[in-house]
Amino acid sequence: GQNIDQPTEMTATEGAIVQINCTYQTSGFNGLFWYQQHAGEAPTFLSYNVLDGLEEKGRFSSFLSRSKGYSYLLLKELQMKDSASYLCAVRDFNKFYFGSGTKLNVKP
Amino acid sequence: EAQVTQNPRYLITVTGKKLTVTCSQNMNHEYMSWYRQDPGLGLRQIYYSMNVEVTDKGDVPEGYKVSRKEKRNFPLILESPSPNQTSLYFCASSLDRGGNSPLHFGNGTRLTVT
Repeated sequence: GQNIDQPTEMTATEGAIVQINCTYQTSGFNGLFWYQQHAGEAPTFLSYNVLDGLEEKGRFSSFLSRSKGYSYLLLKELQMKDSASYLCAVRDFNKFYFGSGTKLNVKP
Repeated sequence: EAQVTQNPRYLITVTGKKLTVTCSQNMNHEYMSWYRQDPGLGLRQIYYSMNVEVTDKGDVPEGYKVSRKEKRNFPLILESPSPNQTSLYFCASSLDRGGNSPLHFGNGTRLTVT
């Protein structure tokens, strides 16, 4: 079956750096997405990886290793508004599989 | 404004009473899909559609129906809702010109079945 694993919850301090890991086991692989979801809101797109390596987008970076079935999202210079859930999703052909999300608490 | 619009935002119904949740996008996206989100389980795909009249099952299709008669609309139908379908539902669309098209989500529909 398809399996996407993420830590349930993490806490970090404002201004710090945090890394959210995601491991996956899927039948196929057509890309990995990271989404941010604030409480009570819709998920919004953060980043996409399909090749191994690091993709950087401002304060957010995402890394992928296809051989290890592993990705991480790196958030730098944390701000209070980064408190949210972060969802890892794998596209397998025309289907999407999501992890259960990592709730990030940013404290002052 | 480019968006995915779902209606209603909140819905309380009783077991067995047919209901439809509407979803519409104004971005000319080819791919549309429905998800349910439950605590501890994350988002699970119910159905998806690659284009008009082309639909297929996702991970948890039992108890749901969809149709794609027009490109912009993708309604979710629960013919006989049961309490285990109480959940938060999201519709999403993407351009799908290649696998890197991200999903754009609607604001969600919170459904309670008593």
